[in-house]
Amino acid sequence: ETGVTQSPTHLIKTRGQQVTLRCSSQSGHNTVSWYQQALGQGPQFIFQYYREEENGRGNFPPRFSGLQFPNYSSELNVNALELDDSALYLCASSLAWQDNSPLHFGNGTRLTVT
Amino acid sequence: AQTVTQSQPEMSVQEAETVTLSCTYDTSENNYYLFWYKQPPSRQMILVIRQEAYKQQNATENRFSVNFQKAAKSFSLKISDSQLGDTAMYFCAFMNPLVQGAQKLVFGQGTRLTINP
Repeated sequence: ETGVTQSPTHLIKTRGQQVTLRCSSQSGHNTVSWYQQALGQGPQFIFQYYREEENGRGNFPPRFSGLQFPNYSSELNVNALELDDSALYLCASSLAWQDNSPLHFGNGTRLTVT
Repeated sequence: AQTVTQSQPEMSVQEAETVTLSCTYDTSENNYYLFWYKQPPSRQMILVIRQEAYKQQNATENRFSVNFQKAAKSFSLKISDSQLGDTAMYFCAFMNPLVQGAQKLVFGQGTRLTINP
């Protein structure tokens, strides 16, 4: 069973740039969620994708967007980067429409905005 | 909106001791799920234990158990016979039942647990 994998591991960008983070879901999972974890804080829900559509979103501006592909992998895109976007970005996969399907997390991408 | 509060930023105990991490939450829902996640330096969030609110019996997973007090909205984690490998950040998390199929976890601020040899 292949776990959740994220790339890249680390990334440094400049304010105003755009970034794309990638996630491959665990085999057999069809739903992907993204979380932002600022230093010293708990993760915050950004959004979730199922069947290539966003089906839930947290309190994040539209410059945070995503995609899900037919193989259930996903991308998180952030435009017009701000210093406060510096954080660990976690991807999690699960089975949709099942309350008891646990979320499996990847190791995250550490984004630094300078 | 649901909120989760962990009032202990840091805790430290000796190996083999028992330690209890506290968590309180706020919700108007009657049915929901509660979780404890562990985040070691590898950064991966690892599920430690989960509790369904409709179950009165407290969940147990080997050395890990919870004390779920629904009326008090309290959900503490007890680690027995603590081991060096238990050193990590621990997050309490809340989830409503599915809304349009979305699983949204609301996390607390975390407790940094250190197990000393």
